[in-house]
This record gives sequence, C-alpha cells and structure tokens, in this order.
Amino acid sequence: DTAVSQTPKYLVTQMGNDKSIKCEQNLGHDTMYWYKQDSKKFLKIMFSYNNKELIINETVPNRFSPKSPDKAHLNLHINSLELGDSAVYFCASSLLAGGDTQYFGPGTRLTVL
Amino acid sequence: AQKITQTQPGMFVQEKEAVTLDCTYDTSDPSYGLFWYKQPSSGEMIFLIYQGSYDQQNATEGRYSLNFQKARKSANLVISASQLGDSAMYFCAMRSNRGTYKYIFGTGTRLKVLA
Repeated sequence: DTAVSQTPKYLVTQMGNDKSIKCEQNLGHDTMYWYKQDSKKFLKIMFSYNNKELIINETVPNRFSPKSPDKAHLNLHINSLELGDSAVYFCASSLLAGGDTQYFGPGTRLTVL
Repeated sequence: AQKITQTQPGMFVQEKEAVTLDCTYDTSDPSYGLFWYKQPSSGEMIFLIYQGSYDQQNATEGRYSLNFQKARKSANLVISASQLGDSAMYFCAMRSNRGTYKYIFGTGTRLKVLA
C-alpha cells in the first residue's frame, strides 16, 4: 500500500494553463506539506496544513493555491503556469506538525512549455 | 534565521568503506530536530535517520549513524560498509520545535559508490 501518493506523476503543459496536483496519505497523519524541488535539487517548503488548517505559507506566488478537503488530502492548484514553475513537486505528511518524520510522496514532475 | 549547510556537493566512496557526509546548521531555537533523507535517481525521498536536539546519544539506524555535535552545530551522516545502492543524493534537514515547525533542507550531497 502506498503511504503518500501523488497524481499525476508527470505533467506537461503550456504556459498560461491552470493545473492541479493531488496528494493523498493513508497514514492517518494530521499534517501535510507541499515542497518544490528545482532543477538544482534544492528543496523548499511551500505550504503546510495541520488538520485542514494552513499553518505554513511561504513566499509563494498567489497563483499557487493549496486546498485540503480533509486531513488525508492536500491538493495544489496552480493558475497561469509560467516557465519557472517547472520543477518536481513533492507532497509529504507527518503524524503531527512537530512529528519526527516526514513521509514523502513520489513527486510530480511538472514541465511548463 | 535557521540555516542548513552541506558543503560537499559530491563525494566518492569505495564499496564496503565508510563515508561521512557533512551537515552544519544554525538556529537560535533550543529545541529542534535533525534529519537525513536519501534521494536515489528514481526521485523519491527516503527518510534515513532522526536526531533530537536533546537526545543524549547519537542516533543509529542500521548502517546509518548520525554524528551529532551540538556545540559545533553539526549533524554528520556516517554510512558504514557502503553499497552500490547507496549512490544517491543525500539531504540534511532541520525542523524547529516551536512556531510552525517548519522544515528546511540543505542543498544536498551527491554520493557515488564505486565498485
């Protein structure tokens, strides 16, 4: 059973389009995260939700909007995609906001043409 | 401000030998956690080991151990008996135990194990 799953795994789209990435965890964790990993492998947190409540919102363009319908799901919607949005996006979860370990999803490679 | 520094962009090690990957951190928080993750070429992020700032003993998980030197603010990862499958990117990370518990990651070290 996959603990943290993301769909799609690959996403290729044109500039200006709107796209969503979905994330689900079946670990019963309270906290979920979105990270962006750029082409140089630098991993940076974007958002974090604890029990459906936004607790971390880094300096991210407001074209990015996370949504957590329940604590097992955290989706990422991106409006008006730009070339610089091309990256690998990772979802992760931890038992609590201060949980010892984050478990990562397999990542979604977004390519904006 | 919190910061994680990994000064080794790339490392080579001979199979079956031990290797140390360096990580230094900076924080003013009294309580924090330190982590290491492995990212193989397939792309997934795999948790390896965790050290709490108040833990008296260095963390160990199988062939992985974390050499925690609090006064020096270093949290080096030691991999013993390297295997070819250890070739990957390794990331050091830190989480503050107050506020929003934000995680920050280092820039990573690419390890290549040679046969």
